[in-house]
Formats: sequence, C-alpha cells, structure tokens
Amino acid sequence: QVQLVESGGGVVQPGRSLRLSCTVSGFTFSSYAIHWVRQAPGKGLEWVAVIWYDGSNKYYRDSVKGRFTISRDNSKNTVYLQMNSLRAEDTALYYCARDYKTLDYWGQGTLVTVSS
Amino acid sequence: QSVLTQPPSASGAPGQRVTISCSGSTSNIGSNTVNWYQQLPGTAPKFLIYNNNERPSGVPDRFSGSKSGTSASLAISGLRSADEAIYYCAAWDASLNGVVFGGGTKLTVL
Repeated sequence: QVQLVESGGGVVQPGRSLRLSCTVSGFTFSSYAIHWVRQAPGKGLEWVAVIWYDGSNKYYRDSVKGRFTISRDNSKNTVYLQMNSLRAEDTALYYCARDYKTLDYWGQGTLVTVSS
Repeated sequence: QSVLTQPPSASGAPGQRVTISCSGSTSNIGSNTVNWYQQLPGTAPKFLIYNNNERPSGVPDRFSGSKSGTSASLAISGLRSADEAIYYCAAWDASLNGVVFGGGTKLTVL
C-alpha cells in the first residue's frame, strides 16, 4: 500500500537549520511529484514546496524562498526539505504528499518547533 | 490571509444538505482544477474531490463538487456526525507557481 513517512522534525532555535525527510513506499516514487504542506498549530493548511518527479522543477512559497530547499533521491525513495534560517513562524506540522491529479496520499507529518 | 476564500464555519442537521463555497481568481480556480480535502480531528488531510467534481473510489456520492468561473463549491448531502471535519479547497496558482489553499471550513453537524 502507498505510504509516506516524514521524519526529522524537532525543536530548534531561531536561525538554525533542520532537514526533513519523506520516505515513500508502495508506488513508483520516480514517477510522481512530491509536495510539502505545513500546518501551524490550530491553523489551516499552507503549501510549502513541490519537486517534480525527476527533480527538474522545484517551486516554493514566497516566505520560504532562499531559506528552504527541496530535493529528492530517487534511489532512496526519499524527498528532503532542507530548512535554513528558521523562524518562529515556521513552527508547524510538516506533511509530505504525493501528487497524482491532486495530493492523493499524505504522510502523518513531522512536527517542527522553532523556539529559543 | 488565504488566497482562496472559504467561510470559516458551516453547519447542518443530520440528513440535511450543506454547501461550502471557495472563491479564488483567474490565476487559480479560473484556470486550474479545484480539489477538496477533508481533515478529521487529529488526522492528516484526505482528498475528497479532485478535478473539480471527481470522487476517488471510497468517497460516497453524498459528496460532490462543482466549479464555475473563479468559484467552486463542495456539497454534502445526507449529513452524518462522521462528516464533522474541516474542509479545504485548493488549486494550482499559475501566478504564484504553487498550490493555494482556502482557509478551511469547519463543518458542524448539529
């Protein structure tokens, strides 16, 4: 069955870095784009970034451009989100999701807390 | 402030029909398909409607979607207590080069 599992979250001080991973199974990873979507505590969904199936295109929301980098390793069935210069407003549950006509499968999320 | 505008709340009695609206612009809903997601308390979102009005297998036909111009809507008929959740609309935005979500509508079954 299709599974996406996020990892790498934790508590980090403002200005520091964190790398999230999204490891998938149950489908041909190299055929699908993968998105990161976050949800601040008690708030709505906010799209963060997407990487095309072959890594050829990457797009980011404006507030993370220049600070976050999305990448993938198709040999490891894993997408990464490198987050630098973290801010308090980046605190959220980060989900990865597969793109097939829609965001059709989601992981359970990994929590990132940015606090001093 | 979300790019797509949804009412923050909606409600209905069991068995009734409720509609949730989603308003956007020409760069998102006006030029791309709309998807709807359901988020039950404490769980990850689940996709409900894709391509404006298509249901994946397993989603009952009580759920339906529609789109007209720069607006879309989700209708839920035969309301059940299990439908209590937050519903989000989303679409690709060609100007922002990214997915935009509505702020979410919390559905209460009275």
